[in-house]
Amino acid sequence: AQTVTQSQPEMSVQEAETVTLSCTYDTSESDYYLFWYKQPPSRQMILVIRQEAYKQQNATENRFSVNFQKAAKSFSLKISDSQLGDAAMYFCAYRSAGANSKLTFGKGITLSVRP
Amino acid sequence: NAGVTQTPKFQVLKTGQSMTLQCAQDMNHEYMSWYRQDPGMGLRLIHYSVGAGITDQGEVPNGYNVSRSTTEDFPLRLLSAAPSQTSVYFCASSYSGGWGSPLHFGNGTRLTVT
Repeated sequence: AQTVTQSQPEMSVQEAETVTLSCTYDTSESDYYLFWYKQPPSRQMILVIRQEAYKQQNATENRFSVNFQKAAKSFSLKISDSQLGDAAMYFCAYRSAGANSKLTFGKGITLSVRP
Repeated sequence: NAGVTQTPKFQVLKTGQSMTLQCAQDMNHEYMSWYRQDPGMGLRLIHYSVGAGITDQGEVPNGYNVSRSTTEDFPLRLLSAAPSQTSVYFCASSYSGGWGSPLHFGNGTRLTVT
């Protein structure tokens, strides 16, 4: 079974600075997808970014980018120019490429942004 | 688009009571699932469905039942509530898991069992 590990329960960043959230995963599959979800205090789950394992190029979405290291099974999220609205819990998640596969989440990391 | 709609948003139950958490989606998604979120545990899969008439167990299925009579609806039933079921529950849906379809989430239900 696949597992997703987020070893840092909390992180803090100064507004306008850059922060990197770590995630590792364990799988024997070669084709899969990785996600970062954001959960602000409103409780809503928001997709931040998605990475296909077969793509070597790291995904980017505006201020959010990932560092995907397939051999190391590492998938970190970098937030540039941090804003107060980035304060939230962030979850890393894994999904196999097969049809009807389940989504497995890490335990999450709470990010605070200092003004 | 309404997306994924969960009701109720909040619920308080007494131990032993039963209730159904409702989930409906209007995106014609084949895949639907229920997660519970507990502090320090992330989101854990309770049950999921890959289409009408098909359901399967996730990581923490005990104490919960589901059914999928239509593509749109996927209710979660607590037959006899226990304090250990105090949690935040999320319903989520997607196209079939192939091609890495992201999950679309409802806004969650906070359930307290006393």
